[in-house]
Amino acid sequence: EAGVAQSPRYKIIEKRQSVAFWCNPISGHATLYWYQQILGQGPKLLIQFQNNGVVDDSQLPKDRFSAERLKGVDSTLKIQPAKLEDSAVYLCASTLGGRTYNEQFFGPGTRLTVL
Amino acid sequence: KQEVTQIPAALSVPEGENLVLNCSFTDSAIYNLQWFRQDPGKGLTSLLLIQSSQREQTSGRLNASLDKSSGRSTLYIAASQPGDSATYLCAVTGGSSNTGKLIFGQGTTLQVKP
Repeated sequence: EAGVAQSPRYKIIEKRQSVAFWCNPISGHATLYWYQQILGQGPKLLIQFQNNGVVDDSQLPKDRFSAERLKGVDSTLKIQPAKLEDSAVYLCASTLGGRTYNEQFFGPGTRLTVL
Repeated sequence: KQEVTQIPAALSVPEGENLVLNCSFTDSAIYNLQWFRQDPGKGLTSLLLIQSSQREQTSGRLNASLDKSSGRSTLYIAASQPGDSATYLCAVTGGSSNTGKLIFGQGTTLQVKP
């Protein structure tokens, strides 16, 4: 069974530029999460989708971050414009169906450096 | 608001030692607790998942226990090896208004010396 796929793996941009990340969850997984992990910290949720609907985006900085999950499968996360403090690893995770009891599986992450 | 704390932040042990990593959480109304391993520059690998109704889970040399009432979990690693060197993260789902997202501790970075 293929795991969660993410691209790109690494991205370096200058502040005020835009960047987009892509995630393909495990086949059949209805719930998709984007987490942000700043160096030395545990990951923190940015946004959670159930199929193509948003369940929780309370921690998403909506003035610069946006995300979508068209057709309930792949998802993209965009930052526009980027700030220095956005330097982090962006992790995508998916889980099967029900929101509360199932194991979450993570992709390899995208490491973003903002100069 | 659920908060997860891991102690110690870093640990260095000689190869062959048995060791315990600690995780505590403030809201005992969790659905499950998950332990992850993270290698430098990599994503998270799930090690063990303990449902709220369970007391422990085992996989190979790893054993995780859960005491919901006291808000604690431990990850026991037997006969540690240099290949166990990584950062170990615990995370919980559940608590008031939780929709299934994981709330993570800051991790324990383990170094096993040959």
